[in-house]
Amino acid sequence: AQKITQTQPGMFVQEKEAVTLDCTYDTSDPSYGLFWYKQPSSGEMIFLIYQGSYDQQNATEGRYSLNFQKARKSANLVISASQLGDSAMYFCAMREGRGLIKAAGNKLTFGGGTRVLVKP
Amino acid sequence: EAGVAQSPRYKIIEKRQSVAFWCNPISGHATLYWYQQILGQGPKLLIQFQNNGVVDDSQLPKDRFSAERLKGVDSTLKIQPAKLEDSAVYLCASSFGTVKNEKLFFGSGTQLSVL
Repeated sequence: AQKITQTQPGMFVQEKEAVTLDCTYDTSDPSYGLFWYKQPSSGEMIFLIYQGSYDQQNATEGRYSLNFQKARKSANLVISASQLGDSAMYFCAMREGRGLIKAAGNKLTFGGGTRVLVKP
Repeated sequence: EAGVAQSPRYKIIEKRQSVAFWCNPISGHATLYWYQQILGQGPKLLIQFQNNGVVDDSQLPKDRFSAERLKGVDSTLKIQPAKLEDSAVYLCASSFGTVKNEKLFFGSGTQLSVL
C-alpha cells in the first residue's frame, strides 16, 4: 500500500507567486515525522522542512511552510514568493517509529514527487 | 564541511555485467543509507547501515545486490549480474544516527544505465 502519495506530477508557477504541493500519508503509528526534500537537476536531495506528528504548530523555514492537517493525514508544502531557482522535483517523505530513539527508525519512505517549473 | 561523496557519477554497462558504486559519508555520521531512484519515481531504500552493521536490508534484491561498510565509514554497493531494470540513480545518504527525526544528507548519486 502506498504510504506517501503526491498526486501532482507537475506544476507551473509564476515567479513571485506562491505554490502549494500536496502530500498525503498513511500510517497507524502515532509517532512519525514528515519531511520535504528538493531535488534539482544536479540530482542531490536537499532537505527543506520537517514536521513531527506531535508538533502543535506548523513548521516554517524561510519561504517554506508546511500545512500539517493531522486528521486528514496531509502535509502540504507551501513555497511563497517563488524564484526561478525553485524549479526542481519536490519529494515528501515519512519516517515511522514507535517512539524509540534508534537509528533504525530514521529511514525515510518517499512519495513519487512533484515537478515544479517556475516561469519568469 | 564536505558533503556525501559518491563515485562514479555515471556508469553505463551491459546486462549481466557487474558494477560497483562507492560512497563516503559525512565525517562523524554513523548511519549510511543506499537508495535506488528509478526515473520518475521517488527514492526507495535498499539498505541501511549503523556503523558497520546492517539495520535494514528488507528491500535489497539479495540475489544480485550486495553492500558492505567494513570499517564503519565508506560503503560500496555492488550489482552482479545487472539487469535492464536496474537502470536508476543510486543515492547514498548519511546521518548522525543518534537522535530521532534527524535529517538525512544525500550525495549527488550515481546514474546507472544498463543496456
